[in-house]
Amino acid sequence: GAVVSQHPSWVICKSGTSVKIECRSLDFQATTMFWYRQFPKQSLMLMATSNEGSKATYEQGVEKDKFLINHASLTLSTLTVTSAHPEDSSFYICSATGGGEFYEQYFGPGTRLTVT
Amino acid sequence: DQQVKQNSPSLSVQEGRISILNCDYTNSMFDYFLWYKKYPAEGPTFLISISSIKDKNEDGRFTVFLNKSAKHLSLHIVPSQPGDSAVYFCAASAFADKLIFGTGTRLQVFP
Repeated sequence: GAVVSQHPSWVICKSGTSVKIECRSLDFQATTMFWYRQFPKQSLMLMATSNEGSKATYEQGVEKDKFLINHASLTLSTLTVTSAHPEDSSFYICSATGGGEFYEQYFGPGTRLTVT
Repeated sequence: DQQVKQNSPSLSVQEGRISILNCDYTNSMFDYFLWYKKYPAEGPTFLISISSIKDKNEDGRFTVFLNKSAKHLSLHIVPSQPGDSAVYFCAASAFADKLIFGTGTRLQVFP
């Protein structure tokens, strides 16, 4: 149980375009979803926390107008990277909790974004 | 400012022996610590955790030790098995706030 999927698993886009990444909880209702970013040889860094039906809370230094997060349902959250630039190339990974302890996060497999 | 550090990027251990993965932290407010395991093309999965009120937590072959005075925790896997080969992340949290992850240690268990 507690499976989280992400789509796409990898994406290449041109600089200046936008790309949307989906995160779905397949067998539970995700009251809270988290979006992380991981650069090579660095740790997972939390970008934002989103609760179903409310606005996402962004971490310091993360541009909310650039990284649009929508958590419209209890099973789906989306991250849209707007006007992508090569420095946005990274590994984006989501996690979800079903209302249990905050640390009971179930992670998706991640999305590799490359901006050319 | 890396609050959680895993200074060994990789570790190689023979099957059947003990694997010890280390993690250091700088924030004395951290009160909960976790270890995650990650296989290629999959997301991290929760392995074991420990609260700051304890110094040891054991779950089967996995034991986590916490040394608060040294701000150090370690994960012991014994006996190590080839299926344990993965990347291991430690993470910490203060007052049920966000998780702060280390950079990971790649463990390889060879026959």
